[in-house]
Amino acid sequence: DAGVTQSPTHLIKTRGQQVTLRCSPKSGHDTVSWYQQALGQGPQFIFQYYEEEERQRGNFPDRFSGHQFPNYSSELNVNALLLGDSALYLCASNTGGFTTDTQYFGPGTRLTVL
Amino acid sequence: DQQVKQNSPSLSVQEGRISILNCDYTNSMFDYFLWYKKYPAEGPTFLISISSIKDKNEDGRFTVFLNKSAKHLSLHIVPSQPGDSAVYFCAARFTGTASKLTFGTGTRLQVTL
Repeated sequence: DAGVTQSPTHLIKTRGQQVTLRCSPKSGHDTVSWYQQALGQGPQFIFQYYEEEERQRGNFPDRFSGHQFPNYSSELNVNALLLGDSALYLCASNTGGFTTDTQYFGPGTRLTVL
Repeated sequence: DQQVKQNSPSLSVQEGRISILNCDYTNSMFDYFLWYKKYPAEGPTFLISISSIKDKNEDGRFTVFLNKSAKHLSLHIVPSQPGDSAVYFCAARFTGTASKLTFGTGTRLQVTL
């Protein structure tokens, strides 16, 4: 049973560029959430996708956008990259959108912006 | 505004002894609390949770205590094992926002031989 998978593992970009990160949820899960974990901090909620729509959003600018596909996989897009966007980006999945089901996290994508 | 706080960045405990990790929160609307463990190069792994209607939840060596009046929770690990060495995150959420977890900054636990 595959858990949450993310690609790529590491990524290096320069300021102003755009980046796309990918996530496949755990088998049987239909809800995907994205988190940003800066160095020395806890993960911060970016947004959640359920039924191919953004359902909840944290305090992140519009430069951060996403998409969910019919197979429940998801992408996180960040435009006009800033140095401060350097972080570990975590994807988490669960079932049923707003249920109390436990979230399972992927290993993350380490983004470095130079 | 840090709504979930873990004031101890690190903790060192001898193998076999008790590890106590603490977490404070400021938002009284939080009604469900979770602990996650994170090893390097891996995502956070769910450990144990507690609803605000309870004051204790136990799962094997792990027990979480919740003191709502003090807005404080703690994770007890007994006995501590070297494999428990990891970063532990406290997280909280509101009813109906299952995916929107608010995390603390984490406590690095080192269990020494």
